[in-house]
Amino acid sequence: GENVEQHPSTLSVQEGDSAVIKCTYSDSASNYFPWYKQELGKGPQLIIDIRSNVGEKKDQRIAVTLNKTAKHFSLHITETQPEDSAVYFCAASILRGANDYKLSFGAGTTVTVRA
Amino acid sequence: SQTIHQWPATLVQPVGSPLSLECTVEGTSNPNLYWYRQAAGRGLQLLFYSVGIGQISSEVPQNLSASRPQDRQFILSSKKLLLSDSGFYLCAWSVWTGDGKLFFGSGTQLSVL
Repeated sequence: GENVEQHPSTLSVQEGDSAVIKCTYSDSASNYFPWYKQELGKGPQLIIDIRSNVGEKKDQRIAVTLNKTAKHFSLHITETQPEDSAVYFCAASILRGANDYKLSFGAGTTVTVRA
Repeated sequence: SQTIHQWPATLVQPVGSPLSLECTVEGTSNPNLYWYRQAAGRGLQLLFYSVGIGQISSEVPQNLSASRPQDRQFILSSKKLLLSDSGFYLCAWSVWTGDGKLFFGSGTQLSVL
């Protein structure tokens, strides 16, 4: 099955700096890569996703890049703000067809933005 | 728009007591439904998923069971809770036609004492 590794496990950044989280996956057939943000005591929320036919996607201060050859993808947060403090999860999915897929999650990265 | 409701938000139960957590989804039909567990400071472990009424797949052997009595209702149960059942339980749904995108509920913090 798919194995997703996520690094680092914790990340502390100064407000205004950038944060980068990296994930690798094992199954070259994976073709969908979402990122989730989980605030304390809440459920994870999808913040951005990318499909395998795209190398980069950006939404305001967050961006995701995908390198299919190396089987890794990364989340970039620019101009970090205190509200970016949370746990971030990457995931990879193999989409074999309608209703035939499964998300495998990384172990999570705890991001702390220092004021 | 679609919404997912999960309750209760917190629950404290003694060892050996039963458990019932409920999740409902609104605004969509025939969703895929999921139960995840998250130990303190840990990642997301898939417990059960369902692609339709009465159809339950278990990902890991455990003291828990799941049921889907209605299209948009998913229930997590146990007959006798163990200390190791403590954790943060998350219900999630996805569109059955599938692009892999999951939408999570707000979670239930279960403490077994």
